[in-house]
Amino acid sequence: QVQLVQSGAEVKKPGSSVKVSCEASRGTFSNYALNWVRQAPGQGLEWMGGIIPIFGTAKYAQKFQGRVTITMDESTSTGYMEMSSLESKDTAVYYCARASVVTRHFDYWGQGTLVTVSS
Amino acid sequence: QSALTQPPSVSGSPGQSIILSCTGISSDVGSYNLVSWYQQHPGKAPKLMIFEGTRRPSGVSNRFSGSKSGNTASLTISGLQAEDEADYYCCSYAGSSSWVFGGGTKLTVL
Repeated sequence: QVQLVQSGAEVKKPGSSVKVSCEASRGTFSNYALNWVRQAPGQGLEWMGGIIPIFGTAKYAQKFQGRVTITMDESTSTGYMEMSSLESKDTAVYYCARASVVTRHFDYWGQGTLVTVSS
Repeated sequence: QSALTQPPSVSGSPGQSIILSCTGISSDVGSYNLVSWYQQHPGKAPKLMIFEGTRRPSGVSNRFSGSKSGNTASLTISGLQAEDEADYYCCSYAGSSSWVFGGGTKLTVL
């Protein structure tokens, strides 16, 4: 059974950075991509970006280009999403999700990590 | 990439059928048969309900079905049940390893 386990909630100051992790069982991302999706309070889902571990190159939504870095440590099957220059509007639940590179859907999701940005 | 368009809310009575719509553009919904639908209950992670427009994952009730015509995808829920009350999001592959979600529809079971 695939499980994606994310790191715990974070409280950050405006202007700082946050790094959220997503740990999976070995082999989970063979032929799959790791993606990050966020959800602001009371709002919808927003795709942020993703990485296909076998290729190693990340792709970002234009909105997050330059401010978000997505990486994957294949030795530990752990993915990371780092966001810099945090603002209050970045307060949201951040989800990691596995996506099939063939059928392009998100089949497994992490439990979500709440990031609160507040002075 | 603009979000796909979904009605903010839909309601129905138990036993009824309802249709949730999801409208995109020619470069996302219109270009790929790769629309997926997700159900989200409050405080929970999204759950995959439909992928590739019409396919249901193992374990998802056959009361859920998907379709697509042009730039619009639809999710039909038949035999509405109380536990179907949730937010529903459509999502389309948009090419070059990118995706776009809809704004979500809140389904209320009366």
